Amino acid sequence: AQSVTQLGSHVSVSEGALVLLRCNYSSSVPPYLFWYVQYPNQGLQLLLKYTTGATLVKGINGFEAEFKKSETSFHLTKPSAHMSDAAEYFCAVSENYGGATNKLIFGTGTLLAVQP
Amino acid sequence: NAGVTQTPKFQVLKTGQSMTLQCAQDMNHNSMYWYRQDPGMGLRLIYYSASEGTTDKGEVPNGYNVSRLNKREFSLRLESAAPSQTSVYFCASSRRAGQVNQPQHFGDGTRLSIL
Repeated sequence: AQSVTQLGSHVSVSEGALVLLRCNYSSSVPPYLFWYVQYPNQGLQLLLKYTTGATLVKGINGFEAEFKKSETSFHLTKPSAHMSDAAEYFCAVSENYGGATNKLIFGTGTLLAVQP
Repeated sequence: NAGVTQTPKFQVLKTGQSMTLQCAQDMNHNSMYWYRQDPGMGLRLIYYSASEGTTDKGEVPNGYNVSRLNKREFSLRLESAAPSQTSVYFCASSRRAGQVNQPQHFGDGTRLSIL
């Protein structure tokens, strides 16, 4: 079965600093990977996804993630944090249920705080 | 663009009461999902519907039932609410069944407290 591990339930950075949120996955087949963001009292919004092809994926709001098969990782980065980036971030892997539908397996989330 | 709409947004129930959470999507998606979100546990799948007319259990189905009323609507029912079902419930949809590269689109959630 596939699984996702997010290292660090809370990450705090200063405004303008690099954001690095870690995600490692376990999968016996080529994975399809996603990052979602959740702002307070809202639903999840897709940041970016990796399916096939280019291993560096660019998403919305200046975020990007790199798929590294050798490290089974899909870490999320942003060069310069903004106050509006404060939110909870979820990494997820997609699992196919025998062709019927795709199920998302979520990590436990990382809460990002941005200090002024 | 409404996307995925959930009602109600907030609800407080007493133990033993029943309730139905409503979800509707206007994106002509085939698959729909119900998740619950609890602190430190991420999102866990309760039930899903690959297409109109089908429903299947997810990771944590006990205490819940679902109905795929039509292509647009997917409801979640708590027959006899328990305090352990206090959670935030999210409905999601995806375009085409069986395609693992399809992202899911989420509603804003229903915050449910059971006393």
